[in-house]
Amino acid sequence: QQQVKQSPQSLIVQKGGISIINCAYENTAFDYFPWYQQFPGKGPALLIAIRPDVSEKKEGRFTISFNKSAKQFSLHIMDSQPGDSATYFCAASMAGTASKLTFGTGTRLQVTL
Amino acid sequence: KAGVTQTPRYLIKTRGQQVTLSCSPISGHRSVSWYQQTPGQGLQFLFEYFSETQRNKGNFPGRFSGRQFSNSRSEMNVSTLELGDSALYLCASSWDKGTDTQYFGPGTRLTVL
Repeated sequence: QQQVKQSPQSLIVQKGGISIINCAYENTAFDYFPWYQQFPGKGPALLIAIRPDVSEKKEGRFTISFNKSAKQFSLHIMDSQPGDSATYFCAASMAGTASKLTFGTGTRLQVTL
Repeated sequence: KAGVTQTPRYLIKTRGQQVTLSCSPISGHRSVSWYQQTPGQGLQFLFEYFSETQRNKGNFPGRFSGRQFSNSRSEMNVSTLELGDSALYLCASSWDKGTDTQYFGPGTRLTVL
């Protein structure tokens, strides 16, 4: 049972554009929502994370928007750069179990010149 | 501070064999989690160890097992390998089992022939 649905599967954005990746979850017990970035041959690396008590969190060019009532959250990458080309995963975990992450299926982002 | 290290990085086995993968967490981290990453199923949680005890377990058959040593290093074992076990096995560590960021290693690429 897939508990975190991620879209789109792939995304092509021009340099300087905004990349938007969406995720929806089913389990209302989830209370920690991280985004991970993975380059080929590497393990996932934490990009940014949010908890349900806030609706938005920004770190540099990366912003998470969170809609608790809709059970959706999204990643916005502003001023996308070719170096951002990677696979992005949203994830979720329940209270007290941040180490047990349920991942989305991933979005392969390509930023073109 | 050194990151999470995993050995070996690549492994080729045949069906029916068993395999042991090793993970050394970031110094001071006490929680180690294991994930399986495949193109078809994505990233799936296997199990988590904290202070040498398994604290969480995913939905994998008993052929998948693990352990953690007193220095927090962890091993996972897969017995009676099947073709479908071919995957990237990722280890992640954190300071505390409940609330902290997971830091992933580069993974061990297992191929079962």
